[in-house]
Amino acid sequence: IQVTQSPSSLSASVGDRVTITCRASEGISIYLAWLQQKPGKAPNLLIYGASTLQSGVPSRFSGSGSGTDFTLTISSLQPEDSATYYCQQLKSFPLTFGGGTKVEIK
Amino acid sequence: EVQMLESGGGLVQPGGSLRLSCAASGFTFSDYAMNWVRQAPGKGLDWVASVTGSGGRTNYADSVKGRFTMSRDNSKNTLYLQMNSVRVDDTAVYYCAQGFGSENYYMVLWGTGTTVTVSS
Repeated sequence: IQVTQSPSSLSASVGDRVTITCRASEGISIYLAWLQQKPGKAPNLLIYGASTLQSGVPSRFSGSGSGTDFTLTISSLQPEDSATYYCQQLKSFPLTFGGGTKVEIK
Repeated sequence: EVQMLESGGGLVQPGGSLRLSCAASGFTFSDYAMNWVRQAPGKGLDWVASVTGSGGRTNYADSVKGRFTMSRDNSKNTLYLQMNSVRVDDTAVYYCAQGFGSENYYMVLWGTGTTVTVSS
């Protein structure tokens, strides 16, 4: 199952609403995760099951979608959200990641 | 405190072997599936392999199948990745990641990674 993210990068201002999309090549129900990775650090799980917020993750992050189309939304972008975001499908092996979306702060 | 610490990375020649370890602490290791994920320099995340909590079932990426072997020793709370016949394109930071449950592979917690460089 291929997973395609868009855009590959974006630049937004503090307080902006940011949306990242992920499309699977076939239906994956809700078996999708979103991860955040900051430079030089290990990734961090933000959302699993397409829309369930992992414990400790700020509520400005939300996920939606099912089947083939999914969205990660940051409702009010903060400086610490500068990072690369990845979606990942876990419907079947091989597990696959999207190519990543680099989010920069203007 | 829940944590995982990878070790065993280093410089290896093409065709050589290396064994990575991931020492886990702070949770009941055998209750959780585990994963290996790698990241080549400047590139995205690349799933390598996963194993169930019991160690009874493993799955591999096609790119490493037949060359890498993932295993776990639940008595030692340690995960392994035996890497044989390594290639230049295996160069990456290798992370271990804890699953959500015995057969649930959502990657809840990640180690800090160990760097493997394949070069002559």
